[in-house]
Amino acid sequence: DGGITQSPKYLFRKEGQNVTLSCEQNLNHDAMYWYRQDPGQGLRLIYYSQIVNDFQKGDIAEGYSVSREKKESFPLTVTSAQKNPTAFYLCASSISSGGGYEQYFGPGTRLTVT
Amino acid sequence: AQRVTQPEKLLSVFKGAPVELKCNYSYSGSPELFWYVQYSRQRLQLLLRHISRESIKGFTADLNKGETSFHLKKPFAQEEDSAMYYCALRVGGSARQLTFGSGTQLTVLP
Repeated sequence: DGGITQSPKYLFRKEGQNVTLSCEQNLNHDAMYWYRQDPGQGLRLIYYSQIVNDFQKGDIAEGYSVSREKKESFPLTVTSAQKNPTAFYLCASSISSGGGYEQYFGPGTRLTVT
Repeated sequence: AQRVTQPEKLLSVFKGAPVELKCNYSYSGSPELFWYVQYSRQRLQLLLRHISRESIKGFTADLNKGETSFHLKKPFAQEEDSAMYYCALRVGGSARQLTFGSGTQLTVLP
């Protein structure tokens, strides 16, 4: 394992507080992604970034924000505007080469908001 | 917009029995299909991709463009195959890259 790290593994916050989830990769991948994983709903794309200082909204971006100041880092902030923030969050990065396209995933962060 | 459907949320089979996890997609162009797997307490990882036409851990998947399907098959299931399986579609030229299905939790019973 290695390559993509997410911290912390578990995170607890009170309702109304913003919280930032960390994602770091040392794979030298240009593209990075944030997904939310809920039971029965699969992986839903929150935000993605193809290059440094550029990112786009995914399918469920409301209540979330990101930054991409460095190639290695793509932190996700869950704001108080997110109505149902308790979930498992996955970060990924990708490469497309002669071997084909592949997304590599981090171990995830489980966020619980009470 | 593209869509991936995995009709079975849960699937249970006995060890040694054949297993098929269904995946259907909707996309009018030429898709690229993948299967990802998430074993208990492990991170999500690529199992196989259709362009490689490979067999990984005894699993195979054939892209059927007529039926817009990419079902995952294994002739003899093992207990260690128990995991969550996701089918994913990549649309060429799309910056967002992958669209995932809702997943199928496979349980292989002893």
